[in-house]
Amino acid sequence: GAVVSQHPSRVICKSGTSVKIECRSLDFQATTMFWYRQFPKQSLMLMATSNEGSKATYEQGVEKDKFLINHASLTLSTLTVTSAHPEDSSFYICSASLGQQNSPLHFGNGTRLTVT
Amino acid sequence: GESVGLHLPTLSVQEGDNSIINCAYSNSASDYFIWYKQESGKGPQFIIDIRSNMDKRQGQRVTVLLNKTVKHLSLQIAATQPGDSAVYFCAERRFNQAGTALIFGKGTTLSVSS
Repeated sequence: GAVVSQHPSRVICKSGTSVKIECRSLDFQATTMFWYRQFPKQSLMLMATSNEGSKATYEQGVEKDKFLINHASLTLSTLTVTSAHPEDSSFYICSASLGQQNSPLHFGNGTRLTVT
Repeated sequence: GESVGLHLPTLSVQEGDNSIINCAYSNSASDYFIWYKQESGKGPQFIIDIRSNMDKRQGQRVTVLLNKTVKHLSLQIAATQPGDSAVYFCAERRFNQAGTALIFGKGTTLSVSS
């Protein structure tokens, strides 16, 4: 089945630094990838939709300059958390679609970001 | 506003019982729904999906029922096993300016005791 790989699985960084999270579709080409954020015991909240070769579409309330998304190829999307603050600590999960009308999203295993 | 939610945050069952997890959605225009299972520290795992032109779909040990009249979705797990313990989310497809995206409900934590 479709496999989405996310890296790193865990990262700890200091306040003010930037962190890059990679999301790869391993056995399929993903024209669209999605980035979600999940706080403890909460649901997944959609942050942005990333389309290959174009700018990402951000959900309301998500800062574009803080969460930089790049989708330069059909198998790779990256999320960079810039100037990280402790409140950015969260579980970030990417997902990708095969692109067919009624195909489910396949998710990576998430990245646990801790900002100290 | 548009949302997808679940009736109960937790459900505890005995091994071998059948489990029913419910979800209510508010957008009557939604045409595609998916159930996901999420284990601790992992990403959501696809379980089963259903289109709005169907009212029932069966998989291996799982059945999804869709009642469009009352905008209700349920996931039935037969002969629940300890390995089924996880958080279950229903998700609703939404159309936006970017195309489509999945919006998740709040989740139900299923605990299976042996």
